Formats: sequence, C-alpha cells, structure tokens
Amino acid sequence: SYVLTQPPSVSVAPGQTARITCGGNNIGSKSVHWYQQKPGQAPVLVVYDDSDRPSGIPERFSGSNSGNTATLTISRVEAGDEADYYCQVWDSSSDRYVFGTGTKVTVL
Amino acid sequence: EVQLVESGGGLVQPGRSLRLSCAASGFTFDDYAMHWVRQAPGKGLEWVSGISWNSGSIGYADSVKGRFTISRDNAKNSLYLQMNSLRAEDTALYYCAKGPHYYGSGEPFDYWGQGTLVTVSS
Repeated sequence: SYVLTQPPSVSVAPGQTARITCGGNNIGSKSVHWYQQKPGQAPVLVVYDDSDRPSGIPERFSGSNSGNTATLTISRVEAGDEADYYCQVWDSSSDRYVFGTGTKVTVL
Repeated sequence: EVQLVESGGGLVQPGRSLRLSCAASGFTFDDYAMHWVRQAPGKGLEWVSGISWNSGSIGYADSVKGRFTISRDNAKNSLYLQMNSLRAEDTALYYCAKGPHYYGSGEPFDYWGQGTLVTVSS
C-alpha cells in the first residue's frame, strides 16, 4: 500500500518560515492536498492540488510537489498556525485515499 | 453554509455493531461523493470508506473491509456507516467528509463534520 511519510514535528519562531515535507514514491505524479487540524477541531483544507488555496486561506500557505516529496510552506508564521498538518493523496493503484503520518507545528 | 453533522457514536462492546449517520445540508448532496475518516485518540487521520454520488463506486480501507458497510440515502441527504464485529482498535473519532463529484478523482475533501466518538471496550 502507498505510504506518505511526514516528520513528526516542526518548530518555528514567529515570523519565520515553516516547511513540512510529505514523502511518497513518485508523489510528484499525484495531486497532493494538505489539511490543518487544531486541537479539538475538525481538519480544514489549506492547500489542494499541490499548490492551490481554498477561499479564505491566507497566501502565507503555499505548496509544491516534485519527485518523491511534496512540501507545505507556511510563511511569516503566526501563533495561530500552531496545529497538526496532514498531507493526502488518492492512490489509484490501490483505489484508496491515503493520509500522511501528520506533523505537529509548534510556534516557539 | 455546508453542514455535516455526525451521530450514532457511543460505547460498545467488542464484537458488537454500531451504525453511524451523517446529516448533510447546504449543498446538493447527491452531486458529491462522501467519505468517513477516523482518528484514534492522539493519532493521525485514517481514511475509512468512501461512496460515490450514486453509490456506484465504493471503497474501504483494508482495516475495515468486510466488517464496515458505507451507504447513503440521497432523498434524506444522509450518509451511513454500518460497523460490525467492532474491535478495540476501531476506537476513534469518526468524521464525515464531503468529497468531489467523482469517487477516486483525486480531489480533496473540502468540508468535514465535527465527528462522533466510537469507543469499543468491554
């Protein structure tokens, strides 16, 4: 089955840039989506189709995808960005949706 | 405004059954695929099952295949998950999520409910 690997945690100072990676075999050939989940809340879509943002999501959130790694970048990090982040793809080989292992972003 | 409201969770003994429901509003329900995603306490997200707009395409995670059954009633704007032979490892918060029109299109889940908690314990 297809596996998406994320670092368990990323720490960043306010105003700096956080980069969260999502590794998977030839992930660059898939569309990657990113969700933000704050404690006690449901996930919220923040980036879809590698690099597009839903309405209402700040431009500070951006994404890229190439080769075996997709990346969510949060620029000018704010305290309110502290959350868990998950990547997701559709794996057509197995007909399954797959979530990454999740990354906890801590704002120092 | 899109709303997804899950219900039906609770405490259940191992081996027993439970049926979850998700009431949808604020969008044309029968135009979209729907999904169940779960999250065990302190753990990550796990896709459980999905169903296309017309129930023509259905998928399950290996961990629940053969035990869980997803269904929908478009006339009632409702999604269901019948869970049989429950195990301790099925303990989780179960979210209902709205997908794209086509199941398996690769598009994201754009709206999520707040979840219903299922606890499997004797």
